[in-house]
Amino acid sequence: GAGVSQSPSNKVTEKGKDVELRCDPISGHTALYWYRQRLGQGLEFLIYFQGNSAPDKSGLPSDRFSAERTGESVSTLTIQRTQQEDSAVYLCASSLAGVAGELFFGEGSRLTVL
Amino acid sequence: GENVEQHPSTLSVQEGDSAVIKCTYSDSASNYFPWYKQELGKRPQLIIDIRSNVGEKKDQRIAVTLNKTAKHFSLHITETQPEDSAVYFCAPGDSNYQLIWGAGTKLIIKP
Repeated sequence: GAGVSQSPSNKVTEKGKDVELRCDPISGHTALYWYRQRLGQGLEFLIYFQGNSAPDKSGLPSDRFSAERTGESVSTLTIQRTQQEDSAVYLCASSLAGVAGELFFGEGSRLTVL
Repeated sequence: GENVEQHPSTLSVQEGDSAVIKCTYSDSASNYFPWYKQELGKRPQLIIDIRSNVGEKKDQRIAVTLNKTAKHFSLHITETQPEDSAVYFCAPGDSNYQLIWGAGTKLIIKP
């Protein structure tokens, strides 16, 4: 596609439920990032995939968070047993050149946990 | 680890005036210095970046200057316009590690 695509754009869930967020990166981009952005705050790094290398999971805030990526394509971020503090916009970005190149962001998935 | 600070956190300027936002970092290995713009409710977008072998880069009304010795780089916007109102993030990094994002600077352009 022309840009990074994320779905769903909005998700409202009840506390304790699991949610899955999807990211379709730009074709050919080997690097993929997930960030969390709470209202009025900066970007909080969650996880980074680069090609077939082991992902950098150092930003995942707890074991309720996990992410997968199949090769250099779609990635899914899963949040289990959601809590109210998980409410945020989850941004996905992809990059051609890895950490030292332009990141192209999706529109984000806004998660609201009631 | 890398420590990144942006100043000021909020900047209000008169339309037509210049705006300068400064980003300081701690990791001397950083060699890539981008600035991103995020308009309200939108995704962040790269507006300008610079690499460590260059001291300054310009693109029309925006410029970035780098002082590697002092470990800071700045975003300069001249002749500010209403559409410049946004939050600006710096995100220095090196080729082996993550971009480390600043907390953001909210730029307000007063008519």
